Amino acid sequence: GAGVSQSPSNKVTEKGKDVELRCDPISGHTALYWYRQSLGQGLEFLIYFQGNSAPDKSGLPSDRFSAERTGGSVSTLTIQRTQQEDSAVYLCASSLAKKRGGLNTGELFFGEGSRLTVL
Amino acid sequence: GQNIDQPTEMTATEGAIVQINCTYQTSGFNGLFWYQQHAGEAPTFLSYNVLDGLEEKGRFSSFLSRSKGYSYLLLKELQMKDSASYLCAVRDPGNTPLVFGKGTRLSVIA
Repeated sequence: GAGVSQSPSNKVTEKGKDVELRCDPISGHTALYWYRQSLGQGLEFLIYFQGNSAPDKSGLPSDRFSAERTGGSVSTLTIQRTQQEDSAVYLCASSLAKKRGGLNTGELFFGEGSRLTVL
Repeated sequence: GQNIDQPTEMTATEGAIVQINCTYQTSGFNGLFWYQQHAGEAPTFLSYNVLDGLEEKGRFSSFLSRSKGYSYLLLKELQMKDSASYLCAVRDPGNTPLVFGKGTRLSVIA
């Protein structure tokens, strides 16, 4: 597709269940980012991928959160044993890698997000 | 690390001009971005500044002063559809993730 695609758009789950959120980035974008946005809050960085590797996992809130990216394309964010405080919109974004002196700004293109509600 | 500060809420009148400020403290700097986010929608890119000065794009302009750690987004001829949150984001050197401020919720009233 032309843009970043995320699924599911909405997910309601019970506390303690595992959830998987999927992101399909723009074709050719090497960098992929996961952010979380709670109601009325800014975007909280979780993890990013350059190709299939994750240079920065510092934003993951706990070891219940993990993410992987395969084939330099689709990424999955997994939350195990969900808690009510995990309720938020999980936003995925992709970008071309910014190159020194290049015209590309490295701007992020966001998907519509996956709204997670943990009961 | 990065610390980004912007006002929480602003209100302005249709047809007027509004300036949304953003200040940042960083260990490094490689560009500042402004994004617009309507309620329930994805953030969309508005502007990018990496050098000092003003970047103009239609009704929207963005200014950067790296020595002061300061940027603003200027919206002219406000329209009701401009009611949204405006997010300031800063990038460290290298291909590192953008760090976002909490956003400024702008309400445009008639």
